[in-house]
Amino acid sequence: DAKTTQPPSMDCAEGRAANLPCNHSTISGNEYVYWYRQIHSQGPQYIIHGLKNNETNEMASLIITEDRKSSTLILPHATLRDTAVYYCIVRVLANDYKLSFGAGTTVTVRA
Amino acid sequence: NAGVTQTPKFQVLKTGQSMTLQCAQDMNHNSMYWYRQDPGMGLRLIYYSASEGTTDKGEVPNGYNVSRLNKREFSLRLESAAPSQTSVYFCASSENRLEAFFGQGTRLTVV
Repeated sequence: DAKTTQPPSMDCAEGRAANLPCNHSTISGNEYVYWYRQIHSQGPQYIIHGLKNNETNEMASLIITEDRKSSTLILPHATLRDTAVYYCIVRVLANDYKLSFGAGTTVTVRA
Repeated sequence: NAGVTQTPKFQVLKTGQSMTLQCAQDMNHNSMYWYRQDPGMGLRLIYYSASEGTTDKGEVPNGYNVSRLNKREFSLRLESAAPSQTSVYFCASSENRLEAFFGQGTRLTVV
């Protein structure tokens, strides 16, 4: 699986958009970008995934650059409950079962 | 729906004792996983079961055994617990390697 690089931490103001970057410069053509988050002491929670196109669901938007070497997770209106560790993962959907969780980005939403 | 249920939630073992962590999912998912998370670190895959009747090693399988009892249940056994196995254990399930659903974790301390 391609390696990902995320900033270790970031702050965000409540009500503002949170933009979480992820670098995956060695991503291959059949690898998907996944985002999970882990709120303190809880199990990880799936957020969103994508291959090439931008994706949006009720939780977030995923913007993938045209060269696919980086992506941004956007939480449109951050709330205090969005404070968590966010993990960016790349994996081949077709033949890979494991999710490789790195250190992630600790996002703190401040009132 | 309960999702993924893990028991017990907390456990303290003495070195050399054995125990089994239980996991059950009610989403009819084919694949199930066991991860461990050490303080301040990301999750690491211990074992996974791609489908009922199959199990495979993940990144850190030493000291553990698993049983896929049926489609719903996937247990993790520590035959002779060691202090290095002090961790939070998460069970997860997924359908066709898509989004994974995690349980709330078992916090294990080996003294």
